[in-house]
Amino acid sequence: AQSVTQLDSHVSVSEGTPVLLRCNYSSSYSPSLFWYVQHPNKGLQLLLKYTSAATLVKGINGFEAEFKKSETSFHLTKPSAHMSDAAEYFCALFKYGNKLVFGAGTILRVKS
Amino acid sequence: DTEVTQTPKHLVMGMTNKKSLKCEQHMGHRAMYWYKQKAKKPPELMFVYSYEKLSINESVPSRFSPECPNSSLLNLHLHALQPEDSALYLCASSQQQGTDDEQYFGPGTRLTVT
Repeated sequence: AQSVTQLDSHVSVSEGTPVLLRCNYSSSYSPSLFWYVQHPNKGLQLLLKYTSAATLVKGINGFEAEFKKSETSFHLTKPSAHMSDAAEYFCALFKYGNKLVFGAGTILRVKS
Repeated sequence: DTEVTQTPKHLVMGMTNKKSLKCEQHMGHRAMYWYKQKAKKPPELMFVYSYEKLSINESVPSRFSPECPNSSLLNLHLHALQPEDSALYLCASSQQQGTDDEQYFGPGTRLTVT
């Protein structure tokens, strides 16, 4: 079965320090993976998408994610956190039939 | 323009009311979606429309009735809802169904059923 697991429900970092949000996937074929961000009381915004063209995917707002098949992981990183990055982040996998399967979400807190 | 708009932003309705949620996109996308998101949970797919035809219904109760009047508009008609239906309802669109095209989400309608 295709699924994603976000390993941390909450992550707290200080402003200016690196961000790491972890996502593992399970898929019987080469997956298409996404990261979305949701600020409070807002919809979801696409950060980046992986579709096998390159294992390191660059997204918006300085985020990037690396696809590692050997580890079945697609972790999201950012070199330096900004206060505006505080939000909930969802990893998602495209499932046959155009259904996005979301992870449970990781709430990122950025301390000043 | 990658914008999906939704109205209203907030909706409070009683269990006997009938109301509708509206979604619009002008990106030429041919697939449109309704998701339900409960507090502190990820979005859950409800319906998918492809080329204005209902393609997927994720066993949603009949008190939720989707409609796609044209390629840019998607409605969700609500009737006789229950308090547990209170949630954020998100609309999304993508180029096509059946491919891994990005889905673009609207800001959502926060629904409260009293």
